[in-house]
Amino acid sequence: TAGITQAPTSQILAAGRSMTLRCTQDMRHNAMYWYRQDLGLGLRLIHYSNTAGTTGKGEVPDGYSVSRANTDDFPLTLASAVPSQTSVYFCASSDSGRFLNEQFFGPGTRLTVL
Amino acid sequence: GQNIDQPTEMTATEGAIVQINCTYQTSGFNGLFWYQQHAGEAPTFLSYNVLDGLEEKGRFSSFLSRSKGYSYLLLKELQMKDSASYLCAVLDSNYQLIWGAGTKLIIKP
Repeated sequence: TAGITQAPTSQILAAGRSMTLRCTQDMRHNAMYWYRQDLGLGLRLIHYSNTAGTTGKGEVPDGYSVSRANTDDFPLTLASAVPSQTSVYFCASSDSGRFLNEQFFGPGTRLTVL
Repeated sequence: GQNIDQPTEMTATEGAIVQINCTYQTSGFNGLFWYQQHAGEAPTFLSYNVLDGLEEKGRFSSFLSRSKGYSYLLLKELQMKDSASYLCAVLDSNYQLIWGAGTKLIIKP
């Protein structure tokens, strides 16, 4: 079982360009999340989706958009990248129907915006 | 506001015991998680506490006191592979995870 995958592994992007970070899970989890992780800060939630067809804003949603067309995929789009979006991005999923709904993380995408 | 505090860095010796503390102030509480994150890798789940007391899982134990807003992760018989960051996270009243900045644990031979 692959679990949760992300692509690309890393990317250097020119400021002002757009980019989509891909995330796919094969665990049939209903909930999915996008986080960014910056040195010295905790994981910060960008957007989430509790089920296919619905999305919600997290702590730091500005400059990012998401969609959840089906259970497996949860892409994150940067419409016009800025240097402050340089970070490591983690996608995660969980089965919120379980009592212990721990989140499972993808390997991350390291994004540098110049 | 919501806040989770844990030490930035700790150092311990191989074979010893280390306790990593976490204090929290959140809007509501639906459980506390500990995750391990090796450098350059994704976080992986270690433990979950929702009731007061100690949960033991092999060399790792996690303790919770809801009245004190306090938890700790206890690692016994430390091994070099335990060198990692340990992340504390609280599930708040909206069932969103609030994350601490993590404690970097350095194990010395």
